[in-house]
Amino acid sequence: AQTVTQSQPEMSVQEAETVTLSCTYDTSESDYYLFWYKQPPSRQMILVIRQEAYKQQNATENRFSVNFQKAAKSFSLKISDSQLGDAAMYFCAYRSAYAGGTSYGKLTFGQGTILTVHP
Amino acid sequence: DTGVSQNPRHKITKRGQNVTFRCDPISEHNRLYWYRQTLGQGPEFLTYFQNEAQLEKSRLLSDRFSAERPKGSFSTLEIQRTEQGDSAMYLCASSPGRQQETQYFGPGTRLLVL
Repeated sequence: AQTVTQSQPEMSVQEAETVTLSCTYDTSESDYYLFWYKQPPSRQMILVIRQEAYKQQNATENRFSVNFQKAAKSFSLKISDSQLGDAAMYFCAYRSAYAGGTSYGKLTFGQGTILTVHP
Repeated sequence: DTGVSQNPRHKITKRGQNVTFRCDPISEHNRLYWYRQTLGQGPEFLTYFQNEAQLEKSRLLSDRFSAERPKGSFSTLEIQRTEQGDSAMYLCASSPGRQQETQYFGPGTRLLVL
């Protein structure tokens, strides 16, 4: 079974600074997807960024970028120019790419990292 | 595109009662997922549907839990004989059903069992 680990329960950053959230995962599969989701307090979860394992190029979405290290099974999220609205719980998640596999379709989440942004 | 909606948003019930939650996915999304999230933790997968077919169930889904998606549109999750350990946020998500899919989440239903 796949597992996702976020070793930082809490992180903080000053507004306009850069912060990196860590995520490691364990899988025996070679093809999969990785995601970062953001869950603001009392609000619904939204997708921040996704990465296909077969792509070597790291995904970027505006101020958000990832450092995907497939061999190390590491998938960190970098937030540049942090804004107050970035404050939230961030979840790293894994999904198998093998149709028909036992874990196909479902997301496996890490424990989450609470990000605080200081003005 | 009105997003995934869930009702009710909050539910307080007494132990032993039955509760039912509803999820309306994004229109034309073939796949629908249910997750459970306890306070301070990441969501845990419960079950998912491809159209009206329930394709996978987690071991977390005891025999007190049942989910349906009768016409391949909205879905219901019923918990019978609720226990205090069922208190959690129940999240619904939907996706188009293509290979490179992203799951879009609803706001969740927060259940408190007294």
